[in-house]
Amino acid sequence: DTEVTQTPKHLVMGMTNKKSLKCEQHMGHRAMYWYKQKAKKPPELMFVYSYEKLSINESVPSRFSPECPNSSLLNLHLHALQPEDSALYLCASSREGLNSYNEQFFGPGTRLTVL
Amino acid sequence: GESVGLHLPTLSVQEGDNSIINCAYSNSASDYFIWYKQESGKGPQFIIDIRSNMDKRQGQRVTVLLNKTVKHLSLQIAATQPGDSAVYFCAENIRGYSTLTFGKGTMLLVSP
Repeated sequence: DTEVTQTPKHLVMGMTNKKSLKCEQHMGHRAMYWYKQKAKKPPELMFVYSYEKLSINESVPSRFSPECPNSSLLNLHLHALQPEDSALYLCASSREGLNSYNEQFFGPGTRLTVL
Repeated sequence: GESVGLHLPTLSVQEGDNSIINCAYSNSASDYFIWYKQESGKGPQFIIDIRSNMDKRQGQRVTVLLNKTVKHLSLQIAATQPGDSAVYFCAENIRGYSTLTFGKGTMLLVSP
């Protein structure tokens, strides 16, 4: 298995809802990432897990809560989001943890719309 | 400001032409670079990477050139095909930070 999968593909939620985005990889990668991408913009890093520990939080609001249950899974829990949080949320993984040169493999993303 | 940027937001070419997509970076501590291709509705797809101890790397139909003197990176696509139409991002890794910073992106449009 050489891919990163994300579910759901699309998600529409209200500002009072609680939802979760899921990401999975079975490549044995030790680092996993969450990115946010607005239309016609580059991906922006949100969180990095390295060896299942949260290593980087790019000052993301607390309404986004990441979780790494095991080395293959990465979740992003969403609560009380704002319409401006609507974006494509991308998950990525890389073979080694931080402090190494290796490409990140991206999933297809979850298109999130907050009403 | 952003450390990585692109000169041309949109590049239109004819099928069969060679394409060159450029990227400028400003951080001299950047030591690893990746080119990604992102098609509409999909996540970025790895194309090719290069470390700062190299100035050229070739893949299948693609070549990346790195000029550290002027902090410039380019992606050359030979015999461009309609399937190459996408947004192309360069990304840099700044030594010691171990995360990627993406440039603004260039849209490549290939006409048959």
